[in-house]
Amino acid sequence: EVQLVESGGGLVQPGRSLKLSCLASGFTFSNYGMNWIRQAPGKGLEWVASISSSSSYIYYADTVKGRFTISRDNAKNTLYLQMTSLRSEDTALYYCARRLGDYWGQGVMVTVSS
Amino acid sequence: DVLMTQTPVSLPVSLGGQVSISCRSSQSLVHSDGNTYLHWYLQKPGQSPQLLIYRVSNRFSGVPDRFSGSGSGTDFTLKISRVEPEDLGVYYCLQSTHFPYTFGAGTKLELK
Repeated sequence: EVQLVESGGGLVQPGRSLKLSCLASGFTFSNYGMNWIRQAPGKGLEWVASISSSSSYIYYADTVKGRFTISRDNAKNTLYLQMTSLRSEDTALYYCARRLGDYWGQGVMVTVSS
Repeated sequence: DVLMTQTPVSLPVSLGGQVSISCRSSQSLVHSDGNTYLHWYLQKPGQSPQLLIYRVSNRFSGVPDRFSGSGSGTDFTLKISRVEPEDLGVYYCLQSTHFPYTFGAGTKLELK
């Protein structure tokens, strides 16, 4: 069974940093591109970043470019999102999703507030 | 960026009825590899989104044949026939042909 479990969220002050993790199981993680997608409270879905299976290709939304870094450790079956210079508008439920979004995690909440 | 215009915003339906949701893109979604990367998701209340249709018209594993996708180029449609209670929620289209990937704003399917 494919499982994606996010962790690392919480309440953080504006300007601070946070690192999210997504532990994958039930499939060969190193064969799949992965994505981070977020959803602000009561709002729609926003794609954040993508990384190819071998980390050769990485893309970001303009809203996070230069502040967020997506990475992965295929030996640990884990996807990461390093978030720096956090803003109130980054407050959202952050999902990791496999490839075309065929599987999603349950999401982890990030709240940026003083 | 590719703008995805999804309509309607709200869609009242009777159980057993049929509905259509439209998603139009600001530019063609045909990739240089010949595929069209337009997908449909359903987000039920309190749950993560779930994939229904990938690459325009392919039903994901376990998705009932009441769901069908069609379209080409910039104009796409999701049809749901014989609506059941478990179909209620918010539907999103997503284009992953061009970076940045972009979602439609969502269509809330609710009971009349």
